[in-house]
Amino acid sequence: SQQGEEDPQALSIQEGENATMNCSYKTSINNLQWYRQNSGRGLVHLILIRSNEREKHSGRLRVTLDTSKKSSSLLITASRAADTASYFCATSGAQKLVFGQGTRLTINP
Amino acid sequence: KAGVTQTPRYLIKTRGQQVTLSCSPISGHRSVSWYQQTPGQGLQFLFEYFSETQRNKGNFPGRFSGRQFSNSRSEMNVSTLELGDSALYLCASSLAVWDGEQYFGPGTRLTVT
Repeated sequence: SQQGEEDPQALSIQEGENATMNCSYKTSINNLQWYRQNSGRGLVHLILIRSNEREKHSGRLRVTLDTSKKSSSLLITASRAADTASYFCATSGAQKLVFGQGTRLTINP
Repeated sequence: KAGVTQTPRYLIKTRGQQVTLSCSPISGHRSVSWYQQTPGQGLQFLFEYFSETQRNKGNFPGRFSGRQFSNSRSEMNVSTLELGDSALYLCASSLAVWDGEQYFGPGTRLTVT
């Protein structure tokens, strides 16, 4: 299966700390995307990184992609309470996006 | 620009019934994808439509079907509902390419009793 797998499944940190979550996948991809979901709502697109890119930034987000290891990481710096959510990676290939199981991030005040 | 809208937001049905869910994509978006989200299976791809044509389909039984209209609005239908169909059904639209940035609607929460 091409499905991405996030690690860890759950992460709890203090406000202001950095949060890092990882995604691994199995087959070659066109791009990899990260999404955020707040408590049973729709997903919000965070960032897309193409297979020929190694790193991408967007505000407090930093995404890296290592195609040789088939892995990606999402770093959220200076976390805030509003960052509490589930984060999913999605890999593209075979004419569809495949989502991982997600990392549940909790930011404690 | 209005976001992706899904109707209804909540639905309770009985086993054996059928249900139709609706999705209106962002204006100008021609690709609409549907996903099923459950605690056990996570986000599962159902199908993707572009210009009224189904371009890809996930591994779901034939009870799950969909269509897209000329204005890009899409519907999905589930016939002969089973308890396991209880889920959050999410619709997402994108400009054209299936692997581009997806804009998700709020979802329809379906409960089958």
